[in-house]
Amino acid sequence: NAGVTQTPKFQVLKTGQSMTLQCAQDMNHNSMYWYRQDPGMGLRLIYYSASEGTTDKGEVPNGYNVSRLNKREFSLRLESAAPSQTSVYFCASRLLAGAGGELFFGEGSRLTVL
Amino acid sequence: AQSVTQLDSQVPVFEEAPVELRCNYSSSVSVYLFWYVQYPNQGLQLLLKYLSGSTLVKGINGFEAEFNKSQTSFHLRKPSVHISDTAEYFCAVSDPGDSGGYQKVTFGTGTKLQVIP
Repeated sequence: NAGVTQTPKFQVLKTGQSMTLQCAQDMNHNSMYWYRQDPGMGLRLIYYSASEGTTDKGEVPNGYNVSRLNKREFSLRLESAAPSQTSVYFCASRLLAGAGGELFFGEGSRLTVL
Repeated sequence: AQSVTQLDSQVPVFEEAPVELRCNYSSSVSVYLFWYVQYPNQGLQLLLKYLSGSTLVKGINGFEAEFNKSQTSFHLRKPSVHISDTAEYFCAVSDPGDSGGYQKVTFGTGTKLQVIP
């Protein structure tokens, strides 16, 4: 029972480099989300995909792009990394976009931008 | 716009003592409320949720929370904590959203519960 799987778990980048965080879920969920977690700020939504084929901006989308590759996979791309993007990134999924459903989280990807 | 306030960033408590973690929210519409727990180096997992009905909600690991609409609160309680409860706890609020539409979830800043042996 894998649930939500994120790769990589750790990454160090230099300013200006690009990278993609991968996320896959095996629960047949329709909605997927990318959050970032920073000390004292809780979780902030970067982008979400309410269903396969759709993506929308969250609270803090600047500097990021996403791709909903299929129902299982939702990737987050940093085109030109900046030190302000140093954070822990969490992917989450939910059966439906609404209806009070539970969010299921991956274990996180810790990114450091030097 | 909805928001969540967790005033206590850290709560130390002795093992077997009771604990209350406070959560207040603001929203112009009716809400769904959640508590999530994050153990070190892990993702968040759901402790309990309130959607409707009884205002006292029981969750996993002996936790419970009470929805108080007049005070816009959803405090988390446990009568006797264990070392294994050491973790960070997040309150979250969501409005019901449009039928079939996206339901935004707003998280609080978290409360670190430190259980002291």
